[in-house]
Amino acid sequence: SQQGEEDPQALSIQEGENATMNCSYKTSINNLQWYRQNSGRGLVHLILIRSNEREKHSGRLRVTLDTSKKSSSLLITASRAADTASYFCATDGRISNFGNEKLTFGTGTRLTIIP
Amino acid sequence: GAVVSQHPSWVICKSGTSVKIECRSLDFQATTMFWYRQFPKQSLMLMATSNEGSKATYEQGVEKDKFLINHASLTLSTLTVTSAHPEDSSFYICSATEDFYQPQHFGDGTRLSIL
Repeated sequence: SQQGEEDPQALSIQEGENATMNCSYKTSINNLQWYRQNSGRGLVHLILIRSNEREKHSGRLRVTLDTSKKSSSLLITASRAADTASYFCATDGRISNFGNEKLTFGTGTRLTIIP
Repeated sequence: GAVVSQHPSWVICKSGTSVKIECRSLDFQATTMFWYRQFPKQSLMLMATSNEGSKATYEQGVEKDKFLINHASLTLSTLTVTSAHPEDSSFYICSATEDFYQPQHFGDGTRLSIL
């Protein structure tokens, strides 16, 4: 399977603390993306990091990428109750017949922020 | 911007029924749409990729006669689950992208329950 692994599978922290999630993948990539999914809903794109980048910030989010270890991490600082969701990393590297990059999603981390 | 609407959000029907799910890009033209399946507490698995006016490309193990995909316009793709059985019960999510370099924008998903 090409599917990546995320670690931890579940994480519960107090509001205000930082949350760190890790993602490992198996194949070479062009980009790695992080998505959030609220329960029973679709995915919301959070951030994209390219293979030649090592770190990227967006608001309270910080993503790192280590292509030598085929791993990435997502840090959410000063967590809020509204951050409670599942977080998935997604890698490209597989090309569809139409030329689009096909995404392979990790197994996800279920994050619970305790008010 | 970049809103994807998926309809219906929830379907319950009897075994043997065919079910159609619609995926619309509301404010952009989607050259490519993707269909995913997600089992409870698991990741998204890509089922197929479709381009407007072309036949869909299915992932290995996905039955094309079972999951019919039509992408007749730049704003609409449909997934029809034919002769659905309880094992087809799942959460189906579509995504759409404007071109090769844009992130995928996801619909809110359709929960399909076959009795």
